[in-house]
Amino acid sequence: AQSVTQLDSQVPVFEEAPVELRCNYSSSVSVYLFWYVQYPNQGLQLLLKYLSGSTLVKGINGFEAEFNKSQTSFHLRKPSVHISDTAEYFCAVTKNSGGSNYKLTFGKGTLLTVNP
Amino acid sequence: EAGVVQSPRYKIIEKKQPVAFWCNPISGHNTLYWYRQNLGQGPELLIRYENEEAVDDSQLPKDRFSAERLKGVDSTLKIQPAELGDSAVYLCASSLWGDYGYTFGSGTRLTVV
Repeated sequence: AQSVTQLDSQVPVFEEAPVELRCNYSSSVSVYLFWYVQYPNQGLQLLLKYLSGSTLVKGINGFEAEFNKSQTSFHLRKPSVHISDTAEYFCAVTKNSGGSNYKLTFGKGTLLTVNP
Repeated sequence: EAGVVQSPRYKIIEKKQPVAFWCNPISGHNTLYWYRQNLGQGPELLIRYENEEAVDDSQLPKDRFSAERLKGVDSTLKIQPAELGDSAVYLCASSLWGDYGYTFGSGTRLTVV
């Protein structure tokens, strides 16, 4: 089975500052990795995903994440945040089985609060 | 393109009452998922459908929860009877087979009192 640990439950930052949201995973097989964002009273929106290829993945809204297999990490970064980035961010993993198993296992989330 | 549509958005019921949630996935998406998100937690899979077949329902509490996806399109998730611990957001998502990264609906927030 896979598991995800999001190391920070809350991350407060000032507007225009850089931010990193940390995610570590555990799996005995190769995996695919995802970051989702959830705005208040909304569903989850896919920010980016790592399936294969380059370990640096670029997503929407200026976010990017780097897959590090040796450290089993998939940290999310943005060089300059805006007030509108305030939301809950979820890291998720699914095993790369090549089949139809798309069960996503989510972390507990990190609340990013951007202050003026 | 319309997204995944869920209704109702909010529901408040008394314990022991039944409740049902409805989901209309994106047109053409053959895979449909129901997730439950407890307060302060990430979503957890309840059931996954490939077309009209439930291919993974191992996390669905079958004593009180049931789901159906007739004709492989819309889906309904039912709880009967509801318990206080069922208070959560119920999220529906859909995807094309082989496409990683679902599209989620806005969810139904259930409060059991």
